[in-house]
Amino acid sequence: EVQLVETGGGLIQPGGSLRLSCAASGFTVTTNHMSWVRQAPGKGLEWVSVIYSGDSTYYEDSVKGRFTISRDYSKNTLFLQMNSLRSEDTAVYYCARVGHNSGRGWNYYYMDVWGKGTTVAVSS
Amino acid sequence: QPVLTQSSSASASLGSSVKLTCTLSSGHSRYIITWHQQQPGKAPRYLMKVEYNGIYNKGSGVPDRFSGSSSGADRYLTISNLQSEDEADYYCETWDSNTWVFGGGTKLTVL
Repeated sequence: EVQLVETGGGLIQPGGSLRLSCAASGFTVTTNHMSWVRQAPGKGLEWVSVIYSGDSTYYEDSVKGRFTISRDYSKNTLFLQMNSLRSEDTAVYYCARVGHNSGRGWNYYYMDVWGKGTTVAVSS
Repeated sequence: QPVLTQSSSASASLGSSVKLTCTLSSGHSRYIITWHQQQPGKAPRYLMKVEYNGIYNKGSGVPDRFSGSSSGADRYLTISNLQSEDEADYYCETWDSNTWVFGGGTKLTVL
């Protein structure tokens, strides 16, 4: 069964750091594209970061320079290192596998498997 | 960057049908979008992709009651024979140039 389980969330003071983990089963994170998406309390979904199978990474503007996405083949786990945390980073963080379709001259990437999420609260 | 627009809420009666809309911004009318369902207190769940020509591809285990369609810049999610468990938030999503965009979500109430 394909499954994603996030851990590592918690209450952290502004300016602090947290490392989120996302353990995968049923598939290999290093040969798939993987992403982080967050949801602030009572709000909608917001994409945070992606790591493609070729190891290129991209970030939403507000987290650039503060967050780093990575993965570990031996642990089959995706990570999100979050530094210089702000109150506006408070959210449930979901990891997601990214599916891919392509055709003549086009590509499309989409979230096709979601984890259950882990809660990050940034507050003094 | 495309913008996805969704109505904030919708309601329909148990056993009836409802059609939710996701509208792509000007210049992006041929984009593929993805629909996700988020039941209260749960994680999102992938439902289907919908292409500009109306072709849709559902995820594993998504009931036959769920279907997709398209017209111009609008992408639709139709749920037939509404069940109580269909009460949820529904989000559309699209991808462009290594970033993802989500619509604001539609909260569906089953009466």
